[in-house]
Amino acid sequence: GESVGLHLPTLSVQEGDNSIINCAYSNSASDYFIWYKQESGKGPQFIIDIRSNMDKRQGQRVTVLLNKTVKHLSLQIAATQPGDSAVYFCAENREETSGSRLTFGEGTQLTVNP
Amino acid sequence: DGGITQSPKYLFRKEGQNVTLSCEQNLNHDAMYWYRQDPGQGLRLIYYSQIVNDFQKGDIAEGYSVSREKKESFPLTVTSAQKNPTAFYLCASIPGGSNEKLFFGSGTQLSVL
Repeated sequence: GESVGLHLPTLSVQEGDNSIINCAYSNSASDYFIWYKQESGKGPQFIIDIRSNMDKRQGQRVTVLLNKTVKHLSLQIAATQPGDSAVYFCAENREETSGSRLTFGEGTQLTVNP
Repeated sequence: DGGITQSPKYLFRKEGQNVTLSCEQNLNHDAMYWYRQDPGQGLRLIYYSQIVNDFQKGDIAEGYSVSREKKESFPLTVTSAQKNPTAFYLCASIPGGSNEKLFFGSGTQLSVL
């Protein structure tokens, strides 16, 4: 299953399928990107990050792809499990005179059906 | 056990009342942040602090105040001027340089009575 930008905030997949969550970021000067997972009533947990000098990075069952040309970020989850059900946020890091700060997207609710 | 501790987990505010949310970290991180999260929404930055005794407004600072008297503590006060305070509040920190991932606390749910 696949989500598209910020206009499809929910994604439902079958257990065992691969999931793709998409994110469009706004600032071409952003140089660092992070994906977070947030379960209901909890703080976000770090999943994976990528710097702007890379276009792909892999973790355990997760892959992040960065396309700077179109300012697009995606998170791929392989063999999605029920425990992956959560809201997923992308965040971009910007350098400002007062310091670096992360700006978050609206998030995608991933539901894994058994 | 290192981490970020937010308290209380649930907080209720009466009309016209100021309330303070606590955030403490023992990670020796320099920078600390407060975010607000509304249901089904992303995180919006309220205030952040890069060093002790210094802090900057984020995108939605109106109706909030902070202090950073100690490195490990960054309390957030929701004042009576904040007319819609009901939200989930998240505190976070990073070691100090740029391009670092944020470590989050477990959040405080604030509701209006």
